Amino acid sequence: QQQVKQSPQSLIVQKGGISIINCAYENTAFDYFPWYQQFPGKGPALLIAIRPDVSEKKEGRFTISFNKSAKQFSLHIMDSQPGDSATYFCAAYKGGNQFYFGTGTSLTVIP
Amino acid sequence: DTAVSQTPKYLVTQMGNDKSIKCEQNLGHDTMYWYKQDSKKFLKIMFSYNNKELIINETVPNRFSPKSPDKAHLNLHINSLELGDSAVYFCASGGGNNEQYFGPGTRLTVT
Repeated sequence: QQQVKQSPQSLIVQKGGISIINCAYENTAFDYFPWYQQFPGKGPALLIAIRPDVSEKKEGRFTISFNKSAKQFSLHIMDSQPGDSATYFCAAYKGGNQFYFGTGTSLTVIP
Repeated sequence: DTAVSQTPKYLVTQMGNDKSIKCEQNLGHDTMYWYKQDSKKFLKIMFSYNNKELIINETVPNRFSPKSPDKAHLNLHINSLELGDSAVYFCASGGGNNEQYFGPGTRLTVT
């Protein structure tokens, strides 16, 4: 059973546009929600993360929006650049060293 | 200095062989993980170790055996390799703030 559902599977955005990736979860015990960015041939790298006591976190062009009541969180990439083209994974954590990953979104930013 | 390193980066071997992948982290973290990423890029946790003790052992065939000689190293030994074992294997380490740092991955191809 997929604990974290991620959409869309792939996304194509024009340079300068906004990229939005959505994730949803069911288990209310999750208390940490990271996003990872993975370039081809590389390992996933932590991009930004949020805890459920805040509704939004921003770091540069990357923002996480968190809706606790809807059990959803999303990644917004403002002013998307070709260098942002990568696969993005959301994840959720509830302790016990167990992370649950979404299925990934392949983002392509067209120049 | 590379925070999480893995060797080898590529591994091509025949069915039935036994192989090992090594992982080392210099971040001083207590927790280390092994993940498998399949051809669809889905990330699945295999094992988690905390201070050399096995914490998570997902439904992985017992042909896979992790070994942690000390908290900076977590190796993965695979016996009797099968075609379905072909994937990219990532080692990761985690600190007390739940952040995970992934290694560069080992692409295993079983022929």
